[in-house]
Amino acid sequence: KQEVTQIPAALSVPEGENLVLNCSFTDSAIYNLQWFRQDPGKGLTSLLLIQSSQREQTSGRLNASLDKSSGRSTLYIAASQPGDSATYLCAVIVSGQNFVFGPGTRLSVLP
Amino acid sequence: NAGVTQTPKFRVLKTGQSMTLLCAQDMNHEYMYWYRQDPGMGLRLIHYSVGEGTTAKGEVPDGYNVSRLKKQNFLLGLESAAPSQTSVYFCASSSPETKNIQYFGAGTRLSVL
Repeated sequence: KQEVTQIPAALSVPEGENLVLNCSFTDSAIYNLQWFRQDPGKGLTSLLLIQSSQREQTSGRLNASLDKSSGRSTLYIAASQPGDSATYLCAVIVSGQNFVFGPGTRLSVLP
Repeated sequence: NAGVTQTPKFRVLKTGQSMTLLCAQDMNHEYMYWYRQDPGMGLRLIHYSVGEGTTAKGEVPDGYNVSRLKKQNFLLGLESAAPSQTSVYFCASSSPETKNIQYFGAGTRLSVL
């Protein structure tokens, strides 16, 4: 059974710092991996999707990498801002319909 | 563009009562999903649908039923609510044409007393 973990569970950083969020999965047989952002009391917003054949994807200050062989993905946030404060979740896609989510990393960026 | 819309946003039920959550999407997506989110457990898939008239069980289907009579709507039913079903419920949709990127609704917060 695919299991997804995220470390750390919570992270607090000063504004302007670069940071890395980690996502690990137990079975490397995945189709894609997706990173989401969730603001308190809100739904999830897709940030980046990395297909299994790709190594990384970039969007603005965000860069996500994927290493299937080691079962890891990282989300790099450059020059963090208070508006980046949210919970970040990763999900591995084991089939078109089967998404397995991690528990999330709660990020606080302090002004 | 509304995206994925869930109704209601909040609901309080007594044990044994029934209710239906409605999810509507206007993106013409083939796939639709219902998840529940509980503290410390991430999102868990309840049921999903790959097209109009088809549904399938996810990881935690017990106590729930679903229907997809129209492509744009996906209904989640609780026939006899239990306190263990207190949770935040999210609906999502996706399409293979857009690499199955999932788009989520804002959620329904359900409390069962």
